[in-house]
Amino acid sequence: RKEVEQDPGPFNVPEGATVAFNCTYSNSASQSFFWYRQDCRKEPKLLMSVYSSGNEDGRFTAQLNRASQYISLLIRDSKLSDSATYLCAVTFLNTGFQKLVFGTGTRLLVSP
Amino acid sequence: DVKVTQSSRYLVKRTGEKVFLECVQDMDHENMFWYRQDPGLGLRLIYFSYDVKMKEKGDIPEGYSVSREKKERFSLILESASTNQTSMYLCATATFLVSYEQYFGPGTRLTVT
Repeated sequence: RKEVEQDPGPFNVPEGATVAFNCTYSNSASQSFFWYRQDCRKEPKLLMSVYSSGNEDGRFTAQLNRASQYISLLIRDSKLSDSATYLCAVTFLNTGFQKLVFGTGTRLLVSP
Repeated sequence: DVKVTQSSRYLVKRTGEKVFLECVQDMDHENMFWYRQDPGLGLRLIYFSYDVKMKEKGDIPEGYSVSREKKERFSLILESASTNQTSMYLCATATFLVSYEQYFGPGTRLTVT
């Protein structure tokens, strides 16, 4: 089983739609969780951290489900500019160091 | 704002050449990372460094080495470039005193012919 898994998509949605992505992780001891956004041929950029109680930043809501070992990202009122690949990232303890493991990303395409 | 810069955006090298990729950050972060990103495989950690002159192997260190002589600079070295090292190389920094959030440079797209 992969350490972090995401549906690659693409998710094709019209402007104004609500879309949600999930990301599952294999290590129940993982402590920190993040969503990154990556535009085509650009570097990943931190979108938001995911807190245990869930958190919201404008149209974006992130949630953590420890029991089922997944995090989610909900985007409301999708904009054309939301088209990108969304990477989840989860910390894993590895030989005494925490490392950040990334999913392969979910591609979102928002159309007019 | 964290600024992470990489020496080249695009690089073309021949098989067998020694290749140096440089990363510089201006935020005094202790931790620096080198990843490669390939379609379908995502980001894979090559090496990381948690302090000057300290380095740790990541998941795919074979064929690579690193150097961190100064806190702000982390170099990735391909000792003898091969075609299977054609990839996008991304440098990242983080300060674990705050969180494990990582900040990425713009990437170097390396082609080995």
